[in-house]
Amino acid sequence: DQQVKQNSPSLSVQEGRISILNCDYTNSMFDYFLWYKKYPAEGPTFLISISSIKDKNEDGRFTVFLNKSAKHLSLHIVPSQPGDSAVYFCAARTSYDKVIFGPGTSLSVIP
Amino acid sequence: DTGVSQNPRHKITKRGQNVTFRCDPISEHNRLYWYRQTLGQGPEFLTYFQNEAQLEKSRLLSDRFSAERPKGSFSTLEIQRTEQGDSAMYLCASSPEGLTPSSGANVLTFGAGSRLTVL
Repeated sequence: DQQVKQNSPSLSVQEGRISILNCDYTNSMFDYFLWYKKYPAEGPTFLISISSIKDKNEDGRFTVFLNKSAKHLSLHIVPSQPGDSAVYFCAARTSYDKVIFGPGTSLSVIP
Repeated sequence: DTGVSQNPRHKITKRGQNVTFRCDPISEHNRLYWYRQTLGQGPEFLTYFQNEAQLEKSRLLSDRFSAERPKGSFSTLEIQRTEQGDSAMYLCASSPEGLTPSSGANVLTFGAGSRLTVL
């Protein structure tokens, strides 16, 4: 059972435009949500996160929105840059500190 | 703080052989996690430790897999009688215990991973 879903395997965006990556989850007990970025042959690196009691968190070009009623979160990147091209994983933490990952979305930012 | 270290980075082995991976977490982190990632998939949870205690094992972790953290510092993941389906990236991550992060904080710090290829 996939508790964290990312239904778009890939996304292409022009440089300078907005990238929107979506994530849905099924477990209402998740208390914290994170986005990780991964380049080939490297481990995932932390990007941004949000507590379940918030609905928005912003850090520079990156903003995460959380809609608890819809069990949906999204990551906005504005403006997108070629260096943002990577695989982005949505992740959610259970109350037992276990973190569950989605399958990822591969973002390509075209110059 | 040198981050999370994993060794070896790459391992090629023949089917049926045993392999062992090592993870050295961030020194002040007492939670340690193992994940497996295959092509096109996200990291799949395998197991995690609080100090030397193994808290949970995924059903993905068959009896050929064993993980230990004997002194609550580094951890090893051993795969016995490897199969071609074991080919994957094995990721280790660490975290402080009982983290109650404010929005914006990280939870898991990952190593670079150990890539296993079973021929």
